[in-house]
Amino acid sequence: QKEVEQNSGPLSVPEGAIASLNCTYSDRGSQSFFWYRQYSGKSPELIMSIYSNGDKEDGRFTAQLNKASQYVSLLIRDSQPSDSATYLCAASLETGNQFYFGTGTSLTVIP
Amino acid sequence: DAGITQSPRHKVTETGTPVTLRCHQTENHRYMYWYRQDPGHGLRLIHYSYGVKDTDKGEVSDGYSVSRSKTEDFLLTLESATSSQTSVYFCAISGGLAGDRGWNIQYFGAGTRLSVL
Repeated sequence: QKEVEQNSGPLSVPEGAIASLNCTYSDRGSQSFFWYRQYSGKSPELIMSIYSNGDKEDGRFTAQLNKASQYVSLLIRDSQPSDSATYLCAASLETGNQFYFGTGTSLTVIP
Repeated sequence: DAGITQSPRHKVTETGTPVTLRCHQTENHRYMYWYRQDPGHGLRLIHYSYGVKDTDKGEVSDGYSVSRSKTEDFLLTLESATSSQTSVYFCAISGGLAGDRGWNIQYFGAGTRLSVL
């Protein structure tokens, strides 16, 4: 079974701090990785995609991928109260049409 | 919501009644998916489609059927709704033109909140 695992949290950080979210996956055939943000009562919204080992930065967000360790992380710098949401990690295989989601990590940024 | 429309957005129904949820996309993406999301379970795949009239089961397909007669429409039917099917249902799409940026990214509709009493 292809699994993506996340710490469900809740994770609380003070405003302005760095929030670190982690994800592991079981299928070594996974090629693409995604982080979605989901506000309460809303649909998942893509915030980052990463395909190669290393770091990928987009504004305050940095995704990190380590395929040898089967580990994906998301760093949120200068966390804002508006970042309070559930963050979903997802992986897909090379075919690109099957996606596997973690159960999400709830993040609260305290003003 | 990336050109994805789900209808209805909210529905309350009674146990034993049939229910059909609709997903309509304007992106011409090849793949369409139905998920349900419940507390503690995350997103669970119900069915997906890889083309017109081509569908396959996901991990929680029992009690659900789907149809895709046109590229843009993917219907989810609960033949006889049960209380255990009370959930939030999300439609998603992926598979734009290969080589296009984001071709293998999955985009979600706004969701349908279904209550079965």
